[in-house]
Amino acid sequence: GAGVSQSPSNKVTEKGKDVELRCDPISGHTALYWYRQSLGQGLEFLIYFQGNSAPDKSGLPSDRFSAERTGGSVSTLTIQRTQQEDSAVYLCASTPLFDANTGELFFGEGSRLTVL
Amino acid sequence: AQKITQTQPGMFVQEKEAVTLDCTYDTSDPSYGLFWYKQPSSGEMIFLIYQGSYDQQNATEGRYSLNFQKARKSANLVISASQLGDSAMYFCAMREAFTGGGNKLTFGTGTQLKVEL
Repeated sequence: GAGVSQSPSNKVTEKGKDVELRCDPISGHTALYWYRQSLGQGLEFLIYFQGNSAPDKSGLPSDRFSAERTGGSVSTLTIQRTQQEDSAVYLCASTPLFDANTGELFFGEGSRLTVL
Repeated sequence: AQKITQTQPGMFVQEKEAVTLDCTYDTSDPSYGLFWYKQPSSGEMIFLIYQGSYDQQNATEGRYSLNFQKARKSANLVISASQLGDSAMYFCAMREAFTGGGNKLTFGTGTQLKVEL
C-alpha cells in the first residue's frame, strides 16, 4: 500500500515569504507527526496530532509555525515569514492508534525547504 | 545534558564484518523506549529495532541487535554481516512516557556508516 506522502519534495523560497508543506499519512493511521531535520542534526519534534484530540504543539519553535489536520487525514505545516534558519528537511510520520509495544513511526521522504 | 548522545559521527566497516554503533541516553523516567532508525541517502527514515525499558532481553531483528545496558544507560546497535546496502545514517532515539501520549521521539545526531568492500 501507499506510504506517507509529502509535497513538495523541494521548496526554495525567499526570506519573508510564507510556505505550506503537505503530508498525506498512511490510510487508517490516526496519529500524525511533524519533525524537522536541520543539516547535520538529528530530528527535532514539532507537533503531533492524534485523532480528534487537541494537537501537541510543544515542539513548534515559534509562533510563525502552525499546522492543521483536516478530516483526521491530510496535514499542512505552515511557516510564515520564513527565515534562513528555517531551512531544513521537514519530515512527516504517521502511526496507527498508539502501539505501546513498539510505536514504530512510518516516515515520508520529507520536504526540503531552502530559504534564500 | 543531551538526552541522546551518539559519539561516532562516522564509522567504516568492511563488508561481512560486524559493527557496533554507540548510543547513550539520559532520562529520569522509569518507563521509556529506545529506537534505532536508518536513513539512506534517499532521505526516508526506516525503523530498525525497538527496546522497551522493562524488556528483560535484548531486542533482535534479523541482522540487527540492540545491546541494552540499562545501568549504563546505553543502547548500542550491532549490525552483523554488514552489507553494502547498510551504508546510511543511523539514528538512536528515545520515547519517554512522561512526555505524554504518542511517539514523541528525541533523536541523537546520528552516525554515518560506510560499508566498504
